[in-house]
Amino acid sequence: DVKVTQSSRYLVKRTGEKVFLECVQDMDHENMFWYRQDPGLGLRLIYFSYDVKMKEKGDIPEGYSVSREKKERFSLILESASTNQTSMYLCASDTPGGGYGYTFGSGTRLTVV
Amino acid sequence: GDSVTQMEGPVTLSEEAFLTINCTYTATGYPSLFWYVQYPGEGLQLLLKATKADDKGSNKGFEATYRKETTSFHLEKGSVQVSDSAVYFCALRGFQAGTALIFGKGTTLSVSS
Repeated sequence: DVKVTQSSRYLVKRTGEKVFLECVQDMDHENMFWYRQDPGLGLRLIYFSYDVKMKEKGDIPEGYSVSREKKERFSLILESASTNQTSMYLCASDTPGGGYGYTFGSGTRLTVV
Repeated sequence: GDSVTQMEGPVTLSEEAFLTINCTYTATGYPSLFWYVQYPGEGLQLLLKATKADDKGSNKGFEATYRKETTSFHLEKGSVQVSDSAVYFCALRGFQAGTALIFGKGTTLSVSS
């Protein structure tokens, strides 16, 4: 089975800090995605990547950036964390074609104080 | 643009009751449709999928049929269990290459014994 591993389950950071959320998948998937999940809003796409060093903005990229230097790793960066970025962050990966859906990580619950 | 609308919860049922969670979509062409489930404290897991009209996806007693004429993909289960308590997300992926999953806002199901 594909595994998608997010480095932290829980994080607490201070306002203004630079925050790195790491995601690693072990099945050579080309596609990787970052979503945030908030009550009543469902999942919203932040960024995605179809290949190393490639990235595409999703629906809510403001305040975030990403890095994909290696195929298996996709990092989400909060340049200057703010309290409105307190959320559950979910990473996912899949293969081109899309018919099989995503494999998700367990999520990182980030609290910005 | 493409979108997914699913019924708002929470849905509260007794064990062995019949479950329906409604999902409708708006999309051009022929998207693939998915149901994901999120158990407390976990990431999302693929529950079932359908990739073309009239396909029926099924898994763990859950079923959903891709209805092109009504643009719907309702989730059903004949007899729910306490262990089915979770959040359920309907999602679609457009037929064009390079698209990401679009999720509904999620429906919380609570089953009591």
